[in-house]
Amino acid sequence: KAGVTQTPRYLIKTRGQQVTLSCSPISGHRSVSWYQQTPGQGLQFLFEYFSETQRNKGNFPGRFSGRQFSNSRSEMNVSTLELGDSALYLCASSLRGQGANTGELFFGEGSRLTVL
Amino acid sequence: DAKTTQPNSMESNEEEPVHLPCNHSTISGTDYIHWYRQLPSQGPEYVIHGLTSNVNNRMASLAIAEDRKSSTLILHRATLRDAAVYYCILRVDLRSNYQLIWGAGTKLIIKP
Repeated sequence: KAGVTQTPRYLIKTRGQQVTLSCSPISGHRSVSWYQQTPGQGLQFLFEYFSETQRNKGNFPGRFSGRQFSNSRSEMNVSTLELGDSALYLCASSLRGQGANTGELFFGEGSRLTVL
Repeated sequence: DAKTTQPNSMESNEEEPVHLPCNHSTISGTDYIHWYRQLPSQGPEYVIHGLTSNVNNRMASLAIAEDRKSSTLILHRATLRDAAVYYCILRVDLRSNYQLIWGAGTKLIIKP
């Protein structure tokens, strides 16, 4: 069974640009969550999508957005990039989402974004 | 705010048990306790979770204090492959907006 696939794995952008990251969940999983990981703040929840609808949202500015397609693949977009957006962006898929008591999220290896 | 506190790092010898502590004194009655680990250059990996009772699975055991203000992840026989950052997490319910609130993690070093 293929795992969670994130693309691209590495990318470099400059301030003010925008970026789109992609996540393909495990086949059959309908929930995709996005996290930002930085050395200073650790892992922080961005948002969760389930069946193409945003179900949960963390405390990030509106420059961070996402969407989910009918095949459960998800994209996240960051507009007007700032230096502080440099981070590892992790995607996690699950069968029923973070609200389900079964609990298990399956993470991809992440997309490492560097903003210069 | 829901929050977990863990030691920055711990060392253990190979093939010995490891007890990783976590404090979560502000936990509420519906918050689940989750543990994930992250090996170098990989995404986090699920380890175990529980609500009130102790839990066991093939990877580890989770011991939850009676007042639920702390918990301990137990690796029964650590191997070198268990060297990772272990995260203690609370799954909180913010009016059906479920979120995983991650701690800073404990870096577990296994000595051969």
